[in-house]
Amino acid sequence: EPEVTQTPSHQVTQMGQEVILRCVPISNHLYFYWYRQILGQKVEFLVSFYNNEISEKSEIFDDQFSVERPDGSNFTLKIRSTKLEDSAMYFCASSEWGQVNQPQHFGDGTRLSIL
Amino acid sequence: RKEVEQDPGPFNVPEGATVAFNCTYSNSASQSFFWYRQDCRKEPKLLMSVYSSGNEDGRFTAQLNRASQYISLLIRDSKLSDSATYLCVVNIPPGSSASKIIFGSGTRLSIRP
Repeated sequence: EPEVTQTPSHQVTQMGQEVILRCVPISNHLYFYWYRQILGQKVEFLVSFYNNEISEKSEIFDDQFSVERPDGSNFTLKIRSTKLEDSAMYFCASSEWGQVNQPQHFGDGTRLSIL
Repeated sequence: RKEVEQDPGPFNVPEGATVAFNCTYSNSASQSFFWYRQDCRKEPKLLMSVYSSGNEDGRFTAQLNRASQYISLLIRDSKLSDSATYLCVVNIPPGSSASKIIFGSGTRLSIRP
């Protein structure tokens, strides 16, 4: 079964540094998403992306964050000047279409630890 | 009121028992509903979509009550492998082209032998 893959599985970064999290969505999927989950808390939507543009973003997704699809397969989340509170699991997801009845398929996440 | 609300549990039931979870949502414009399961420190995995008429997948039955704005999940003949956190997920129509998905905080289920 096709999978969403994420790298790295664990990223440790000094506070203030920039970090890039990478995702390879399922190949025929057109919509891509980033979520985060702080330890012990719920999964939170960050951003959705379609046709090389951000479709929706949450209040969490401020100027510190950016997303990019640099080539035909990768989808990245960049966090500039990381803060301690950015420590969380970051999940990438994709769906074939963007309609509300389309389930999203999740990668197994990147654990980001900010020191 | 939270956008999606679930009883956090934990539910601790013996193997073979039937267990039910409820979830309420606040946005009446919500259109699609899902149950995901999440194992400890793992990604959410789709368990089933929830349809207006209710739907069943093996031991799992999902129901939707739009009037009362809640969805439910029933697990029959529970197995040890059902131990996980069950996430209620609601999809809200988009402001632009892609929908917005809201997760509940999850209900923890623990099945004991």
